[in-house]
Amino acid sequence: AQSVTQPDIHITVSEGASLELRCNYSYGATPYLFWYVQSPGQGLQLLLKYFSGDTLVQGIKGFEAEFKRSQSSFNLRKPSVHWSDAAEYFCAVGAVKNTGTASKLTFGTGTRLQVTL
Amino acid sequence: DADVTQTPRNRITKTGKRIMLECSQTKGHDRMYWYRQDPGLGLQLIYYSFDVKDINKGEISDGYSVSRQAQAKFSLSLESAIPNQTALYFCALWDRENIQYFGAGTRLSVL
Repeated sequence: AQSVTQPDIHITVSEGASLELRCNYSYGATPYLFWYVQSPGQGLQLLLKYFSGDTLVQGIKGFEAEFKRSQSSFNLRKPSVHWSDAAEYFCAVGAVKNTGTASKLTFGTGTRLQVTL
Repeated sequence: DADVTQTPRNRITKTGKRIMLECSQTKGHDRMYWYRQDPGLGLQLIYYSFDVKDINKGEISDGYSVSRQAQAKFSLSLESAIPNQTALYFCALWDRENIQYFGAGTRLSVL
């Protein structure tokens, strides 16, 4: 069974500083990997995804993530954080059927990002 | 973009009551999911459905049931609600590009 670990429960960064949110996964093959963001009182919005190919993926709002198979990691980064980035961030791994279809997602417990001005 | 609608958005009920949360989509996708979110626990999968005749239990299905009335509708029921089912519930669906889209959520309080 797959699993996801987000070791940082809460991170505080200053506006304009760089950001890296950690995500480690466990899965028997190459997984589908996702980062979602949740603003207070809102649903989850997809930031970016990795299925295959280039291990550095670009997402919305200036975010990027890098898939590192050797480290089983998929860390999320942003060069310069804006106050509006304050939210909760979830990493997720998708189980992949042999047809290439994802069957279900397993989520990490989330990292809450606070941005100070 | 997928359109996932959850009703109600907020609900307060009492212990022992039966309650149904509804989810509908307008994009014709087959795979639909129900999650529960609790603070510090992330999202946990309750049930998922690949089509009308294919319903599967997730990690935490005890105390819940589902109904896939049509391709577009996937309802979650609590037959006898208990306080520890107080949580935020999300419906989601996968599109054909393997992207999962979420509804806005239903905040349920069981007193």
